[in-house]
Amino acid sequence: GAGVSQSPSNKVTEKGKDVELRCDPISGHTALYWYRQRLGQGLEFLIYFQGNSAPDKSGLPSDRFSAERTGESVSTLTIQRTQQEDSAVYLCASSLFGRAETQYFGPGTRLLVL
Amino acid sequence: ILNVEQSPQSLHVQEGDSTNFTCSFPSSNFYALHWYRWETAKSPEALFVMTLNGDEKKKGRISATLNTKEGYSYLYIKGSQPEDSATYLCAPSTGNQFYFGTGTSLTVIP
Repeated sequence: GAGVSQSPSNKVTEKGKDVELRCDPISGHTALYWYRQRLGQGLEFLIYFQGNSAPDKSGLPSDRFSAERTGESVSTLTIQRTQQEDSAVYLCASSLFGRAETQYFGPGTRLLVL
Repeated sequence: ILNVEQSPQSLHVQEGDSTNFTCSFPSSNFYALHWYRWETAKSPEALFVMTLNGDEKKKGRISATLNTKEGYSYLYIKGSQPEDSATYLCAPSTGNQFYFGTGTSLTVIP
């Protein structure tokens, strides 16, 4: 079956603009995760959805970041008033039920803020 | 923030050698431990998820163990092959957060 897909694959934006990143998880996966990797740094957890709700949003780096999930399917990560330090690869993953299940990653969105 | 340490940071081995890495984490509030394999220019690939103290998982030549009481996990690769070259990440989770180590970069020399 289809894997996790993310769009766009690459995004270049100007500082101060808003961007929206999309993740389509594997059909039937109730858990969805967002991560990012900034250049030269490790993988950083952002947020986890169980169904349509995110039990803990404290991993989001600032209040400019928000995430939503609808219909226990697609999720969007929105970054408002982008800054250069937001430049990173944003990865989405999904798993069948929850946090102790195997996660399947999408190809990522490469965001560059000029 | 959970302090996750992985060692060694990088490793070069000859093809056919067996090797192992360590992931250390605080044992309080532990929920699950994930191991991932991450090749350059690709997305991470999940290897194992372990939750119980004493868990051992195996996938081909790769295996992992978990000690939740002392807060560590070992990843073993038997008979390393060049295609095993990648960064190996561990991520314990507590509550609804995941905390990644910086990884062990493995290079297998043919």
